[in-house]
Amino acid sequence: DGGITQSPKYLFRKEGQNVTLSCEQNLNHDAMYWYRQDPGQGLRLIYYSQIVNDFQKGDIAEGYSVSREKKESFPLTVTSAQKNPTAFYLCASTIGKGNYEQYFGPGTRLTVT
Amino acid sequence: GNSVTQMEGPVTLSEEAFLTINCTYTATGYPSLFWYVQYPGEGLQLLLKATKADDKGSNKGFEATYRKETTSFHLEKGSVQVSDSAVYFCALSASGNTPLVFGKGTRLSVIA
Repeated sequence: DGGITQSPKYLFRKEGQNVTLSCEQNLNHDAMYWYRQDPGQGLRLIYYSQIVNDFQKGDIAEGYSVSREKKESFPLTVTSAQKNPTAFYLCASTIGKGNYEQYFGPGTRLTVT
Repeated sequence: GNSVTQMEGPVTLSEEAFLTINCTYTATGYPSLFWYVQYPGEGLQLLLKATKADDKGSNKGFEATYRKETTSFHLEKGSVQVSDSAVYFCALSASGNTPLVFGKGTRLSVIA
């Protein structure tokens, strides 16, 4: 089955540690996105990538970093510089080529204490 | 810039009631419009979409019509069920692979 995989579902880290969230897709989609969602809130865009080896900052990129070395993978690193990292993180992808709907992964809930 | 405004929740309805969640947008050109649904602890799922004016998207009893004259894409369902309890997001895509612009979401609770 094609889809987007995010792992792990739940992640716990101590303050001051960097942590990397995985996002993999086998949909052959060109573009990938990372969003952050806080309780009772909407989605905020962190980073996105339209092609391999290229990515752009979203609205809240500070304290985060990404890479796009392969079409299928778009990992997100939450660094110790992110002041409030505890949140629900969602990865998405778009096929592009005139089809703009985004497909979402199941999300990773990160808790930093 | 492009933006989406949707009615604030939470919305609480009894089972079999009629649902309307309002969504209006601001955009240049002719955006595509979407409704997504998010169940607790999960990612977003595409519920329906419309790509041009007067198109009606429909799925699982939900429907929404792309109204360019009122820049609206209101979500409706004739008879809601408890299983429809979720957060609903309206979104637009202006062009290409640029990120979707999302509304803030509307939480729906349906009680038996």
